[in-house]
Amino acid sequence: QVQLVESGGGVVQPGKSLRLSCAASGFIFNDYGMHWVRQAPGKGLEWVAVVWYDGNNKYYADSVRGRFTISRDNSKNTMSLQMTSLRAEDTAVYYCAKDIADCTTGSCYAHLDYWGQGIQVTVSS
Amino acid sequence: DIQMTQSPSTLSASVGARVTITCRASQNINPWLAWYQQKPGKAPKLLIYKTSTLESGVPSRFSGSGSGTEFTLTISSLQPDDLATYYCQQYHAHWTFGQGTKLEIK
Repeated sequence: QVQLVESGGGVVQPGKSLRLSCAASGFIFNDYGMHWVRQAPGKGLEWVAVVWYDGNNKYYADSVRGRFTISRDNSKNTMSLQMTSLRAEDTAVYYCAKDIADCTTGSCYAHLDYWGQGIQVTVSS
Repeated sequence: DIQMTQSPSTLSASVGARVTITCRASQNINPWLAWYQQKPGKAPKLLIYKTSTLESGVPSRFSGSGSGTEFTLTISSLQPDDLATYYCQQYHAHWTFGQGTKLEIK
């Protein structure tokens, strides 16, 4: 069965860096795009970033572009999110998620079908 | 960027009731719309994708419909286990979530 396990969260001071990891199992990792989605305390879901199946394309939400970097290692079935210049508003539970693409129209559109349990990141002095 | 607006923000209904949640997109996203269920303290779970396709294992009381910019999630007969917050998400152009609808059981 598909398993996604996040690690690396914790408490960090504003302006500092933190690296999250997501270990995947139960599926052919290098066939699927992988995402990070976050949820601030008491708030809704916010999509953060995606890395395509081969690692060659990456896209970011405006709120994190230039500060966060998503990457993946297909040889180790892992994905990472390097977060720099952290701000109080980055405080959230961060989820990794696997996508599945529908390419029947000639273009591909991917929804998120499996999620990890989430990991807390707190940015506070 | 495509904006997603859900209504209502909170909904209270009795067991057995028919419940409908609406999601509006700021532009045509047809049919690239998914619905997720998030129970308190848990990760989101996929319910429906491509507007109306039920994810495997999801009870048939859940259904999705719509087109263009307006979409709905319907629970035909509300069960106590359906206590959760529901999110729509467009995946026509990148990914955007609605703000969520918290469903309470009367």
